[in-house]
Amino acid sequence: QQQVKQSPQSLIVQKGGISIINCAYENTAFDYFPWYQQFPGKGPALLIAIRPDVSEKKEGRFTISFNKSAKQFSLHIMDSQPGDSATYFCAALIDTGTASKLTFGTGTRLQVTL
Amino acid sequence: GAVVSQHPSWVICKSGTSVKIECRSLDFQATTMFWYRQFPKQSLMLMATSNEGSKATYEQGVEKDKFLINHASLTLSTLTVTSAHPEDSSFYICSARSPGAGGRNEQFFGPGTRLTVL
Repeated sequence: QQQVKQSPQSLIVQKGGISIINCAYENTAFDYFPWYQQFPGKGPALLIAIRPDVSEKKEGRFTISFNKSAKQFSLHIMDSQPGDSATYFCAALIDTGTASKLTFGTGTRLQVTL
Repeated sequence: GAVVSQHPSWVICKSGTSVKIECRSLDFQATTMFWYRQFPKQSLMLMATSNEGSKATYEQGVEKDKFLINHASLTLSTLTVTSAHPEDSSFYICSARSPGAGGRNEQFFGPGTRLTVL
């Protein structure tokens, strides 16, 4: 059962453009929503995260928009750069202490062209 | 800070042999460590969760007798793939979490280990 749906599967954006990746979840108990960036052959790295009591969070060129009622959240990458080319995963977590575990989306391969 | 290392970064072994992968938190004590498996162009799939000093909790469908996990200290967890077969070839990634490192829920991921079973 896939609890976090992610789209699109792949995305091509021109340099300087805006990259938008969307995720939707089912379980309303999720209370932490991180985005990870993964380069080929490397482990994922936390990019930005948000809690459901906030509708938007911005860090540099990266912004998360969160819609609690729609159970959706999205990542916006402003002024996309070739160095942003990577696979991006959204995730969701229920904070139950030591039993907490991340549920990942299926991933989006972003390619930023010159 | 909050660096997680894995060793080896890649390993090739013959079918039927066992392989051990180490995951270390270098600058913090990890009360909980997680092991994931990732096939090419796919998402991360959680295999098991381990808390220091206790038995690992395996996800449904993961054979605990095949994937042995030991979290003997607050900075080291090991995954041993026993009697490896070609279908076990994958990218294995660990992560570590500590209430005192980063945010309350943040997991810090290792660089991954590429396992190829011939």
